[in-house]
Amino acid sequence: DGGITQSPKYLFRKEGQNVTLSCEQNLNHDAMYWYRQDPGQGLRLIYYSQIVNDFQKGDIAEGYSVSREKKESFPLTVTSAQKNPTAFYLCASSIEGTGINEQFFGPGTRLTVL
Amino acid sequence: GQNIDQPTEMTATEGAIVQINCTYQTSGFNGLFWYQQHAGEAPTFLSYNVLDGLEEKGRFSSFLSRSKGYSYLLLKELQMKDSASYLCAVIDSNYQLIWGAGTKLIIKP
Repeated sequence: DGGITQSPKYLFRKEGQNVTLSCEQNLNHDAMYWYRQDPGQGLRLIYYSQIVNDFQKGDIAEGYSVSREKKESFPLTVTSAQKNPTAFYLCASSIEGTGINEQFFGPGTRLTVL
Repeated sequence: GQNIDQPTEMTATEGAIVQINCTYQTSGFNGLFWYQQHAGEAPTFLSYNVLDGLEEKGRFSSFLSRSKGYSYLLLKELQMKDSASYLCAVIDSNYQLIWGAGTKLIIKP
């Protein structure tokens, strides 16, 4: 079955530690995205990648980093510079990053920083 | 600035009909999506509108008026499993998706 996987579903970290969230897709999609979702707010774009080895900052990139070394994978690192990292993180992909394309979402990772 | 407004929460009765509104002010418009998101889960695609009018898909319909910057999602014959958040998202002139905060729909027996 094609889809997007994120792991783990729940993640706990101590303040000051970097943490990497995994996102893998086997849909053969060119574009991938990372969003943050907080209660009462819409999805906010952290980073996106339209093609392998290329990515752009979204609206709230500060304190986050990404890589896109393989088409299937788009890991997100939450660094200690992110002031309020506790949130629900969603990864998504679409056939391409330009034009109008439905985004398919992974199940999400809920990160709690203690 | 870009803005999408949806009611925060709505309550409806099983078997009834509910309309969830979405108004938007964005820099350009290239279409509007509706997604459903159950608590703690991934959003899933419901509909896409780019032309004015009503798109019907089973129990769910979506309407768009570009001149009014307005859309609604209509859910008929409500079922308990329809309890979820409904997210409105607009594609702006740069083909970026702008998301509303979502409407939490509570279905009561």
